[in-house]
Formats: sequence, structure tokens, C-alpha cells
Amino acid sequence: KAGVTQTPRYLIKTRGQQVTLSCSPISGHRSVSWYQQTPGQGLQFLFEYFSETQRNKGNFPGRFSGRQFSNSRSEMNVSTLELGDSALYLCASRGGNYKDTQYFGPGTRLTVL
Amino acid sequence: ELKVEQNPLFLSMQEGKNYTIYCNYSTTSDRLYWYRQDPGKSLESLFVLLSNGAVKQEGRLMASLDTKARLSTLHITAAVHDLSATYFCAVSFGNEKLTFGTGTRLTIIP
Repeated sequence: KAGVTQTPRYLIKTRGQQVTLSCSPISGHRSVSWYQQTPGQGLQFLFEYFSETQRNKGNFPGRFSGRQFSNSRSEMNVSTLELGDSALYLCASRGGNYKDTQYFGPGTRLTVL
Repeated sequence: ELKVEQNPLFLSMQEGKNYTIYCNYSTTSDRLYWYRQDPGKSLESLFVLLSNGAVKQEGRLMASLDTKARLSTLHITAAVHDLSATYFCAVSFGNEKLTFGTGTRLTIIP
């Protein structure tokens, strides 16, 4: 079974630009969650989508948004990029039961200059 | 709000020794996960613990859960260099988000 895939793997943007990251979950998984990982703040939850609906949301500004498609693939968008948005963005998928393990993708390393 | 604390934050140990990483959480949880992360890589799932007294073992790693004390431990037996990584615990309840601990950076010295 193929794992969680994320594209692109690396991205360099400048302040003020916007960016879209993509995540394809493990086949059959309907839940996709996004996390931001930085050395200073650690792993922080952004949001979770389940069957195209946002189920949970973390404490991030409205510049961070996401969506999920009918095939469970998910995208997250960050508008008006700031230097502090530089991070590893991780996507995780799991099955329909909330106790299922979350499996993480390789991440997208975003650098904002 | 659920808070998760791990200690120690950094751990340097010699090969062949035993040690334990601790994970404390602040409110009721119905599941706890342990993950491993190698530098520059993603998170690899190690264990999921669902009930009080749960114990799981894989190779030199053993995880346990005490829900009354809100404490999980990850015990390393006879450490080898390949176990060098950062280890995270993560806790959740119901459909709430997964909250991660700060991570423990483990370095095994030959």
C-alpha cells in the first residue's frame, strides 16, 4: 500500500506571496490532518479534514486555509507569506475511526525569504 | 486545553545502556501515540496505546500507559546507535486534534 505523499517536497517563496501544498492520503483513508513543525514551536496542529469537511482547526491565522476533495486528497494554502511561516509542513492520514493511527507524509519544506 | 510534556528534552546515552523517556499529559485522553523522527525526515509511527495498563514492545523499545497518572513511558533496552532519533508522544481524546509533546532528542554514543 502506498504511503502518504506530499508535493512539492521543497519550496522557496518570498514574503507576500502565497503557496499551495498538496497531500494524497493512503488509499481508503478519509481523514487528512496538517501540521506545522518549526524548531521553536515544535509540532502544531493546523486543521483536519474528514469527508471534505473541516473537523478541527488549530490556532493559526486565517491566512492558513485548506480543503479536501472527494477523492480525499487535500490542499493547504498560505496567503501573504511571512518569514515565520518557514517550516516543515506535514500531512497525516488515517482511516475512519478516530482511534486509528495517523500516518505521516514526508513533508514539504517551505522557506520564505 | 490539553498539554503534553516530555522529559528529558535531550538524552545522550551509551550503547548498551537502558533508559526511559517520560510523557505526561494534562487532561483526559483515550489514546496515546509514540512517533520517531530522524533528522530531516517525517514521523514514523511506533506505538498506539489505548487503555490503562497497555504495554507494547517492538525490539528494544517498550511503551506503557498509566491513564490514572496521565503518564506514558518509552523504555529503551540495551541501546544501539540506530535508535538515535527524536521521539515524540502525542495525545488525543475523541475527535479532538492530536497534541504532540516537545520531543526527546536521543543520541546513542558508541
